[in-house]
Amino acid sequence: QVQLVQSGAEVKKPGASVKVSCKASGYTFSSFDIHWVRQAAGQGLEWMGWMNPNSGNPAYAKKFQGRVTMTRNTSIGTAYMELSSLRYDDTAVYYCARDYYDLGRRHSDYWGQGTLVTVSS
Amino acid sequence: SYDLTQPPSVSVSPGQTASIACSGDDLGRKYASWYQQKPGQSPVVVMYQNSKRPSGIPERFSGSNSGNTATLTISGTQAMDEADYYCQAWDSSIPIFGGGTKVTVL
Repeated sequence: QVQLVQSGAEVKKPGASVKVSCKASGYTFSSFDIHWVRQAAGQGLEWMGWMNPNSGNPAYAKKFQGRVTMTRNTSIGTAYMELSSLRYDDTAVYYCARDYYDLGRRHSDYWGQGTLVTVSS
Repeated sequence: SYDLTQPPSVSVSPGQTASIACSGDDLGRKYASWYQQKPGQSPVVVMYQNSKRPSGIPERFSGSNSGNTATLTISGTQAMDEADYYCQAWDSSIPIFGGGTKVTVL
C-alpha cells in the first residue's frame, strides 16, 4: 500500500534551518510529484511547493522562494524539504503529499503523517 | 492571486444534510478537490475532480461545481463526519486551498 513516512519532530532556534524527509513506499517514487504543505496551529493548509522526483525540478510558492529547497534521493525513494532562516511563525506541522495527475486534473491522494517543526529560542 | 472562500463553520444535526460551499472566480471552469481533516490527523481526500469519490469514502459524500461555487454535500451526516474540510483548486499551475470549514455535528 502507498505510504509516505516523514521524519520526526524538530526544535530549532530562530535563524537556523530544518530539513524534513518524506520516505515513499508502495509505488514507483519517480512517477508522482510530491507537494509540501504546512499548517500552523489552528490555521489552514498552506502550499509551499512541489517537486518532480523524476527530473528533480522544484516549483516554490512565492512566499517561500529563497528560503525553501526541495530535493530528492531516488535511490531510497525519499523527498526532502529544507527551510532556512527560520522564524517563530514557521512553527507548524509540515506535510508531504503525493500528487495524482489525470489528464490535467490533479489532487493529493496520499499524505504523510506530518512533522512538527517548532521554532523556539 | 486566486482566492477560494469557504464559510468558517457549518453546523448540522445527525442524519441531516450538510453543504459546504467554496467560492472562487469562475471556479466552475476548474476542478475542485475536497479534503477532510480530523484533529491531530493528516488531511484525507474525500472528493476529487469535482464529484469523484475515492475508494473507501462513504456514498453520503457528494460534490458539484458550477459557476463560481463548488459544493461538498454530506447526506445523512454522522458524528464521525465532524472535521475541518478544505477545498482546493489549481490556478496558474499552483494549488490553492480554501480557508477551511469546521463542520460540527450537534
